[in-house]
Amino acid sequence: DAGVIQSPRHEVTEMGQEVTLRCKPISGHDYLFWYRQTMMRGLELLIYFNNNVPIDDSGMPEDRFSAKMPNASFSTLKIQPSEPRDSAVYFCASTPRVVGGYTFGSGTRLTVV
Amino acid sequence: GENVEQHPSTLSVQEGDSAVIKCTYSDSASNYFPWYKQELGKRPQLIIDIRSNVGEKKDQRIAVTLNKTAKHFSLHITETQPEDSAVYFCAAKAGGTSYGKLTFGQGTILTVHP
Repeated sequence: DAGVIQSPRHEVTEMGQEVTLRCKPISGHDYLFWYRQTMMRGLELLIYFNNNVPIDDSGMPEDRFSAKMPNASFSTLKIQPSEPRDSAVYFCASTPRVVGGYTFGSGTRLTVV
Repeated sequence: GENVEQHPSTLSVQEGDSAVIKCTYSDSASNYFPWYKQELGKRPQLIIDIRSNVGEKKDQRIAVTLNKTAKHFSLHITETQPEDSAVYFCAAKAGGTSYGKLTFGQGTILTVHP
C-alpha cells in the first residue's frame, strides 16, 4: 500500500491566490482528517469525514477554508483567498475505524507570501 | 471539547537514560490514547497506543501507562538512543459525538545526546 498520498509537497503562493491541497487516503479507510501544524498552535484538526460525509468542521478557521470529499479515494482542502497566516504544514490522515491510530500523509508545506 | 496538556515541552537526556513524557486530558469519556513520533520534516507516526480498559502497554523499549481516575497517561522510553531524538505527541480520542476525533498535545522535543 502506498499510504496516504498528499500533493503537492510544497506550495508557495502569493497572498490572495487560491490554493488547493489534495489527499488520497488508504483504500478501505473510512475516516479522513485534515490537520494543520504550526509551531505556535501545534497540530490542529480542521475537519474530518466519515464515508465521504463531513462530520466535524468546527476547526476550520473561517469561510476562506473549504474541504470536500467527492469519493472515497480523494479529498481537497481549498483556501480562497490565501493569507500569510495560513502558512503551515497541512497533513491529511486516514483510519479504517473509529478507535485506532491514524496514518498521516507526508504533508503539504504551504507558504503564502 | 477535549483538552490535552503535555509536559515537558523539551527533554534532554544522555544516551542510555530513560525518558518520560506526561499528558493529561479533560474528557472523562475519552477512551483511546495514542503516541506519535515526528522526526524533523517528516510525518507523525504512531509508535504505541493504549485503550481505556488497559492500564499499561509495552513494546520493546517503549511503554505507556494510563491512570483513568487521574486522567493522565505517560510515555516511557528506556535505554534511549540518538535515533529516538524527535518530537513526541500524545493524543486523546474524545467520546460522545466527537467520536473519531483525536486531540493532540503540544508536543515534546526529545534530544538524546550520544
